[in-house]
Parts: sequence; C-alpha cells; structure tokens
Amino acid sequence: EIVLTQSPATLSLSPGERATLSCRASQSLNNYLAWYQQKPGQAPRLLIHDASNRATGIPARFSGSGSGTDLTLTISSLEPEDFAVYYCQQSNSWPLTFGGGTKVEI
Amino acid sequence: EVQLLESGGGLVQSGGSLRLSCAASGFTFISYALSWVRQAPGKGLEWVSAISGSGSSTYYADSVKGRFTMSRDNSKDTVYLQMNSLGVEDTAIYYCAKRSGSNEGHFDSWGQGTLVTVSS
Repeated sequence: EIVLTQSPATLSLSPGERATLSCRASQSLNNYLAWYQQKPGQAPRLLIHDASNRATGIPARFSGSGSGTDLTLTISSLEPEDFAVYYCQQSNSWPLTFGGGTKVEI
Repeated sequence: EVQLLESGGGLVQSGGSLRLSCAASGFTFISYALSWVRQAPGKGLEWVSAISGSGSSTYYADSVKGRFTMSRDNSKDTVYLQMNSLGVEDTAIYYCAKRSGSNEGHFDSWGQGTLVTVSS
C-alpha cells in the first residue's frame, strides 16, 4: 500500500499569501497524483490531476508540481474562498489512497 | 453536467446491513469506473471500493473486503454498495465518485454523500 504523508497538517496564512502544501509518497507515483479541496459540509472537488494538470474551471493560482515521491500543491495568492482542507490522492496502484489532509486556515 | 446522487444511508445497528445507491447522469455511464469514498466524522477521506465501467472488475479496501460488495447496473446508470456486518467504525459519509477512465484515473466528479450511522 502506498502511504501518502501530507505536511504541514495545518497552515495558517493570510489572504494574498502563498501556500505551499506537500505530499510525500512511500513509493513512486509515476505522476498519478491528484489534489482535492474540501470545504465544510461539502464534497471534495478535484483541483489538480496527474500531478500538474489543472481540472476544468480551476483558477490559475492553483498549481501542482513535483514527481516521483515528492509532490507539491501551490496556491500563489490566497483568496478568502481558498481556506479549506486539501487532500492528495494516488491512483498509481491498488489500494487507492489519500493523504491525511492539510488544513489551510486564516 | 455530471450528477451523482447517493441514497440509502441511515441508522443501523452494529452487525446489520445497508445498501447504498448512486444514480448517475450527464455522461456515458458504461465508459467510466466509479468508486465509493467515505469520511468518518471529523476525519479524512478513505477510499472504500471501485468498479470498472463494464462491471467486470471490482476492488476493495482491506477494511471492508469480505463485508462490502460493489456492483453496477449499466441499464439504470446506477452503482450500489451492499454493506454487511456493519460496525461502528463504518460510520461515515459515503461519497460516490466518478473516475476519469474506464478502470483508472482520478476522481473528477463527486456526489454530495449519504450518511451511514452504525450504533452499538
């Protein structure tokens, strides 16, 4: 099983600041990594797939980078609606797994 | 527009059974794999099961293997999750999620979820 470790667990920032979220995998993911955003009371929403491809309708301030076992989600300038929990998820091998999440808070 | 509508959640006693349904629309159903993902109260996301577009392949997390069965009816554009021998640890919101391929890929669309509560 591929274990995904997200850090930090909580990121305290202000609107306009840059957020950098890390996802480290126990094995190479061959770029089969996605990032999701989840707000309270809502279902997750796909942000990034295949490590660096923005999903349809996702603003350009969201970007994914990295390869192998170290992947990163960057939010270049936080908007008020970006404060949420972010999860990484791998689809390189079974079982599919999620990271524990990073909460981005004001 | 892709829509996934879960139903069937509720309160059940430990050891009981429940069947969840997910009715899909807005895409060619048979062409895409689907999954169930759950989230316990205040916790993170946990993948539960997946089924290929044709229905010929199914996959399960170890935590539910042997107790849960995922199936699909491509004539009704609906997937199901039969849950048996439920325990309190199965209490969660269960989301239906569409994968981006016929048997692979990320989750590009999600339903709003259905709450399953297992009491002791």
